[in-house]
Amino acid sequence: QKEVEQNSGPLSVPEGAIASLNCTYSDRGSQSFFWYRQYSGKSPELIMSIYSNGDKEDGRFTAQLNKASQYVSLLIRDSQPSDSATYLCAVRQTGGFKTIFGAGTRLFVKA
Amino acid sequence: GAVVSQHPSRVICKSGTSVKIECRSLDFQATTMFWYRQFPKQSLMLMATSNEGSKATYEQGVEKDKFLINHASLTLSTLTVTSAHPEDSSFYICSAREVSASLGKNIQYFGAGTRLSVL
Repeated sequence: QKEVEQNSGPLSVPEGAIASLNCTYSDRGSQSFFWYRQYSGKSPELIMSIYSNGDKEDGRFTAQLNKASQYVSLLIRDSQPSDSATYLCAVRQTGGFKTIFGAGTRLFVKA
Repeated sequence: GAVVSQHPSRVICKSGTSVKIECRSLDFQATTMFWYRQFPKQSLMLMATSNEGSKATYEQGVEKDKFLINHASLTLSTLTVTSAHPEDSSFYICSAREVSASLGKNIQYFGAGTRLSVL
């Protein structure tokens, strides 16, 4: 089992719909969780971080964390074509200095 | 807005030479900077966390003598790839964290990346 797993996609949603991106992790003691967006050929940008169970909202983005089930998700409301990118989930593991990135999910928002 | 400048954007070098990459925060002070590498069509790998005035914290499996990090000021961190070999060819990306307790800010900005090709 990979330490951080994401569906590689592509995930295709129509403009205006909700895009749901999921991520599962194996280290049960992980405390810090991040979502990054990366456009093709560009550097990633941090869009959300979440540390406690529940939802965290920032504009059109909502991160959801469920430590018992070991998953973290990202919802993008009112998806726009400009949201088309690869979304990387990252988990900072306990007991060390290692942050594991998922392979990323490619999102395609159709106009 | 805040900008992180990374230089050079692309470098080609011969095997055995050393390459230095600079990362600057242009309009904020960054006590913490991060260095990542990314192979083609693969995910990011955090290499190390660079703290101003102290030694960098390297991730497991990253050779600290191979990848020298210096964070001499609040606006500059450098990564030196020593005795580079073809397997070091990668996309190296730096990131700087802007923290302001008074403004409730804790944001991480990324540089544009450096594409290193070792012949």
